[in-house]
Amino acid sequence: AQKITQTQPGMFVQEKEAVTLDCTYDTSDPSYGLFWYKQPSSGEMIFLIYQGSYDQQNATEGRYSLNFQKARKSANLVISASQLGDSAMYFCAMIQALGRLYFGRGTQLTVWP
Amino acid sequence: DVKVTQSSRYLVKRTGEKVFLECVQDMDHENMFWYRQDPGLGLRLIYFSYDVKMKEKGDIPEGYSVSREKKERFSLILESASTNQTSMYLCASGLGGSPSGELFFGEGSRLTVL
Repeated sequence: AQKITQTQPGMFVQEKEAVTLDCTYDTSDPSYGLFWYKQPSSGEMIFLIYQGSYDQQNATEGRYSLNFQKARKSANLVISASQLGDSAMYFCAMIQALGRLYFGRGTQLTVWP
Repeated sequence: DVKVTQSSRYLVKRTGEKVFLECVQDMDHENMFWYRQDPGLGLRLIYFSYDVKMKEKGDIPEGYSVSREKKERFSLILESASTNQTSMYLCASGLGGSPSGELFFGEGSRLTVL
């Protein structure tokens, strides 16, 4: 069974609009962390945001926020005021207490003018 | 600046050759990972290591082995490369212990096996 599910293979958004990228996860561990990474066409993995399972507040980093709904096992990424440079592949990932790190299959985001 | 360095950005090898992919980190991280990335499949874990000489199989270890003789270096070995191992290989390193946000990636190594 997949540990991380990203149900949107592709998403389109107009510049300056907000977009939500979905991520659900599966774990029975009480201690875990959730990441979002951006991968442009150059291939590098760029860290965007991290949420620990015990963090009380949703993580935010500039235009990125993580909508963490623990009971639903959901960790959606919200990008506000999209920019053309946000066009990239986005990966959700989960790290567990023993260190194993799982990734989803990714969502290709396209921002159009 | 945190650095995870992968030895080669691009490699072209022939079927049956032995291939070494090296990854070095300078942050004294306990955990190191090797992934392969293929279109539509995301990143799949090949092996990870949580300490020197310690390793665990990931989801797709077949055809690969690893070596971690020193804390900062984690090598991925393809004993006899095959065309289905043509892929992008990504190394990552992170802190051990409780989950944390300290996790960093190398730039990737794109391997083509002819």
